[in-house]
Amino acid sequence: EPEVTQTPSHQVTQMGQEVILRCVPISNHLYFYWYRQILGQKVEFLVSFYNNEISEKSEIFDDQFSVERPDGSNFTLKIRSTKLEDSAMYFCASSDRWGIGEKLFFGSGTQLSVL
Amino acid sequence: AQKVTQAQTEISVVEKEDVTLDCVYETRDTTYYLFWYKQPPSGELVFLIRRNSFDEQNEISGRYSWNFQKSTSSFNFTITASQVVDSAVYFCALSGQGGSEKLVFGKGMKLTVNP
Repeated sequence: EPEVTQTPSHQVTQMGQEVILRCVPISNHLYFYWYRQILGQKVEFLVSFYNNEISEKSEIFDDQFSVERPDGSNFTLKIRSTKLEDSAMYFCASSDRWGIGEKLFFGSGTQLSVL
Repeated sequence: AQKVTQAQTEISVVEKEDVTLDCVYETRDTTYYLFWYKQPPSGELVFLIRRNSFDEQNEISGRYSWNFQKSTSSFNFTITASQVVDSAVYFCALSGQGGSEKLVFGKGMKLTVNP
């Protein structure tokens, strides 16, 4: 079955450093998402992306965050200057349709640790 | 605002026992969808089921069954004759018109099935 692939699985960085989390969505999907889960807390929506534009973003997704689809296969999340509170599991997801109720396919996540 | 509550944080059962995972939701939307996702030790979020707000029929898929009751705003998940492979964290989630396609997750419930 097709799957969403995320790299790296673990990322350790120093506070203030930039990180890029990478995702390869399912090939025929057009809608892409990032979610994150701080340890012990809920999985939270960060951003959705379609047609090279952000469709929706949450309050968490401030100016320190950006997303990009640099080529036909990758979808990246960049955090410009990491903070301790950015430590979390970051999940990428994709779907082939838009709208409420659509099934999202998630990757295995990238565990980001900011020291 | 939309909210999903999974009151149980952790359950431990012995193989072959039945177990029910509770999910209570809040939404002002008239059209919404409810989901269950499974997160095995490998980390990815695996889609299990989706129900829309107009379909209150219970659903059974093998050992899994779901009980959707709008009157109590609940969408409970039962695993019959649990197996060790069912050990995972299970998330209930909600999406609705107010939040477009983004999912609002519960905190998750860790199920451990012991041999």
